[in-house]
Amino acid sequence: DVKVTQSSRYLVKRTGEKVFLECVQDMDHENMFWYRQDPGLGLRLIYFSYDVKMKEKGDIPEGYSVSREKKERFSLILESASTNQTSMYLCASSLQGAFTEAFFGQGTRLTVV
Amino acid sequence: GIQVEQSPPDLILQEGANSTLRCNFSDSVNNLQWFHQNPWGQLINLFYIPSGTKQNGRLSATTVATERYSLLYISSSQTTDSGVYFCAVGSAGGTSYGKLTFGQGTILTVHP
Repeated sequence: DVKVTQSSRYLVKRTGEKVFLECVQDMDHENMFWYRQDPGLGLRLIYFSYDVKMKEKGDIPEGYSVSREKKERFSLILESASTNQTSMYLCASSLQGAFTEAFFGQGTRLTVV
Repeated sequence: GIQVEQSPPDLILQEGANSTLRCNFSDSVNNLQWFHQNPWGQLINLFYIPSGTKQNGRLSATTVATERYSLLYISSSQTTDSGVYFCAVGSAGGTSYGKLTFGQGTILTVHP
């Protein structure tokens, strides 16, 4: 079975902190994604990566950056956390290309106070 | 970008009832998935179905890509079916890299 693991289920951080959300997949997938989910707004794509060291902005990249130094790991970085980044963050991975099934991690519920 | 609309937004059923969830999309797709979000927030894969029909136990799905819709059927519903059901699509236009656009979801509540 494909496994996508996010480092934390729940996280509480202070405004202004630098926050790292980690995601690891064990199926040698080329594509990895970070989404955030908010009530009334659904799931929106923040960033994605289609190869090691490659990254592309999604629909809402402002305030975020990403890192992909190894194929299996994709990190989302909040450079200076703000209260409007309180959200559910979901990581996903899929094989190379467009015609592939995506698999999601368990989610990280981040609260910025 | 591509638009995805799911209906109904909310659905309340008695255990044992059948239901149909619909997903309409505004453009050609190369990827369509149905997910169930459990109470802890994880998205569980139900179907990868860019076209055709698939069945898995009490669940089945049909995608008619030429008419830009997909249907998820749940038969003999159980309380454990409760949760949010999402349809997500990958646009066939341009280079999508497997990116998904999600609908707003259908909140299903099954009462015993």
